Amino acid sequence: DAGITQSPRYKITETGRQVTLMCHQTWSHSYMFWYRQDLGHGLRLIYYSAAADITDKGEVPDGYVVSRSKTENFPLTLESATRSQTSVYFCASSDYDAGELFFGEGSRLTVL
Amino acid sequence: RKEVEQDPGPFNVPEGATVAFNCTYSNSASQSFFWYRQDCRKEPKLLMSVYSSGNEDGRFTAQLNRASQYISLLIRDSKLSDSATYLCVVNMEYGNKLVFGAGTILRVKS
Repeated sequence: DAGITQSPRYKITETGRQVTLMCHQTWSHSYMFWYRQDLGHGLRLIYYSAAADITDKGEVPDGYVVSRSKTENFPLTLESATRSQTSVYFCASSDYDAGELFFGEGSRLTVL
Repeated sequence: RKEVEQDPGPFNVPEGATVAFNCTYSNSASQSFFWYRQDCRKEPKLLMSVYSSGNEDGRFTAQLNRASQYISLLIRDSKLSDSATYLCVVNMEYGNKLVFGAGTILRVKS
C-alpha cells in the first residue's frame, strides 16, 4: 500500500542499547522528518532531510543519528539510548518545502 | 516564551456548540500557518492551512491576525467526532522549519 510506514511500532529497550527506528515512504517525497512527541512539548523536530544524502539537524538532535541513502528511507538511530529518549517518534514526509506533512503511525519507544 | 503557544484545554463542549481556539506565535516573520488534528494515540493529520484572508472549510474557519501574531480556529455545530487534539503549526522562516504547538484538547459531549 502507498503511504508512509514506521517500524517497529512498539519497542522496549534498555539504557545504553542502540535502537534504530525505520521509516519508509512510497510517494517519492523529497522531504522527510523525524519528530518526537512528549506531553507538554508537542512535536519537536529531531532531524530532517531535503533529499537523498542531505540531512540537517532540527530542534533536538543530540543523541540521534540519521541517514538517507535512498529517497524512500529515513532511519533514525539512537546510538546509546537514555531514559529521556522514551517518547513517541513520528516520521513524516512532504513533497515540497513547508508543504503538508504526512505522518507515519508512530513508534512508541520505552527506554528502561 | 515558547515559539508557538496554545491553551492546552481541555475544552468540554456539548454537541452543536461553537468553539474557538487561539494560537500565538513569537516570530513576526513567520510565513505559513496550519491547523493539524490528532486523534488519541494516532498520527497528526492536516486539518487546514491558514491564509491571510482567512479561510473556511465546512464547519471550520481559520483566521490569521498578523498584527497580534495569532491564528484561530473556529468550529461550528460541534460533532462528537470533532473530539481530538488540535495542533497549531507555524513555519518560522523560509525553509521547512515547522514548529508545532503542544495542542488544544477538545471534547465534544452528547
